Amino acid sequence: DGGITQSPKYLFRKEGQNVTLSCEQNLNHDAMYWYRQDPGQGLRLIYYSQIVNDFQKGDIAEGYSVSREKKESFPLTVTSAQKNPTAFYLCASSPSGQIRFYNEQFFGPGTRLTVL
Amino acid sequence: RKEVEQDPGPFNVPEGATVAFNCTYSNSASQSFFWYRQDCRKEPKLLMSVYSSGNEDGRFTAQLNRASQYISLLIRDSKLSDSATYLCVVNTLVYNQGGKLIFGQGTELSVKP
Repeated sequence: DGGITQSPKYLFRKEGQNVTLSCEQNLNHDAMYWYRQDPGQGLRLIYYSQIVNDFQKGDIAEGYSVSREKKESFPLTVTSAQKNPTAFYLCASSPSGQIRFYNEQFFGPGTRLTVL
Repeated sequence: RKEVEQDPGPFNVPEGATVAFNCTYSNSASQSFFWYRQDCRKEPKLLMSVYSSGNEDGRFTAQLNRASQYISLLIRDSKLSDSATYLCVVNTLVYNQGGKLIFGQGTELSVKP
């Protein structure tokens, strides 16, 4: 089955530790995205990548890093510099690397990160 | 002012009722529009795209009013399974970034027996 997988589903980390969230897709999509969702707020864009080996900062990139070495994979590292890391993290992908007007995004199941 | 605004609700309606949600957007350069559905503690899933002429999918009807910069979603004959949060999503041109999806905070719908 084609889709987007994220792991783990739940993640607990101590304050000050870096943590990497996995996102894999087998939809052959060029573009991938990372969002953060906090209670009562809309999704906020952290990073996105339109093509392999290229990525851009979104609206709230501070304290996060990404890599895009393979088309299928777009891992997100939450560093100790991120002040409020506890949130629901969603990875998404869309077919085209050229972000077109009618390009909807497809989401993975998400990772809930709790920093203790 | 938020770029995409929705009434957070909750909207509590009985089964069989008709319910409508509105969403306003601030950027007149916005080009495409979507409604996503998000169940509690799950990922958003595309419900329907919104076309200029309006479009219908079963019990769901989406409308776009570019002059007033709002989008609506109408749900007829509500089912218990329609209970979810509905996200209004707008694709807007951003200089040097191409199109960018902007998400509203969502409107919560609860359908009661």
